[in-house]
Amino acid sequence: GAGVSQTPSNKVTEKGKYVELRCDPISGHTALYWYRQSLGQGPEFLIYFQGTGAADDSGLPNDRFFAVRPEGSVSTLKIQRTERGDSAVYLCASSLWGGFVGTEAFFGQGTRLTVV
Amino acid sequence: AQSVTQLDSHVSVSEGTPVLLRCNYSSSYSPSLFWYVQHPNKGLQLLLKYTSAATLVKGINGFEAEFKKSETSFHLTKPSAHMSDAAEYFCVVSQLNFGNEKLTFGTGTRLTIIP
Repeated sequence: GAGVSQTPSNKVTEKGKYVELRCDPISGHTALYWYRQSLGQGPEFLIYFQGTGAADDSGLPNDRFFAVRPEGSVSTLKIQRTERGDSAVYLCASSLWGGFVGTEAFFGQGTRLTVV
Repeated sequence: AQSVTQLDSHVSVSEGTPVLLRCNYSSSYSPSLFWYVQHPNKGLQLLLKYTSAATLVKGINGFEAEFKKSETSFHLTKPSAHMSDAAEYFCVVSQLNFGNEKLTFGTGTRLTIIP
């Protein structure tokens, strides 16, 4: 596609439910990142994939959060037993081979998750 | 750990006047620094980046930023504001974590343009 696509654009769920957020990166980009942006804050790093493997998952807040990228393209961020504090905009970015200095990363428009 | 501090949460300027968005960084070594812009309902867009080459970096839409090591600053400027510049701006530092690079964002500055 022309850019990074994230679906859904908005998701409202009840506390305790399970949600999946999808990211379609730019075709051919091997690096994929998930960030979370809470209201009034800058985005915070969650996880980084290089190909199919999670190269750095140090930003995942707890074990309710999990992400996969089984074929090295589309990624899914999964949140179990959602809490109201999980409400935020979840951003995905992809870059050609990884990193932000040597190559540009492109961000999607995000999924706004609201837990009620 | 590296970090950035954006000194103003909100900045308002009149159309046609200069823009200054301030950013200070903290780093134990020479950092790579970025400015990203976020328009409402749009994805984050890279404005410019500093990677230890020229200290004055020119970006898109007439923006530029100067890396000043002595002041640990990376302020964003534009000579003449346009209505389309109204957006949220993030100062960002690149951080290496176990050999993997990731971005650390500041808290953002909301720029309002007064007609």
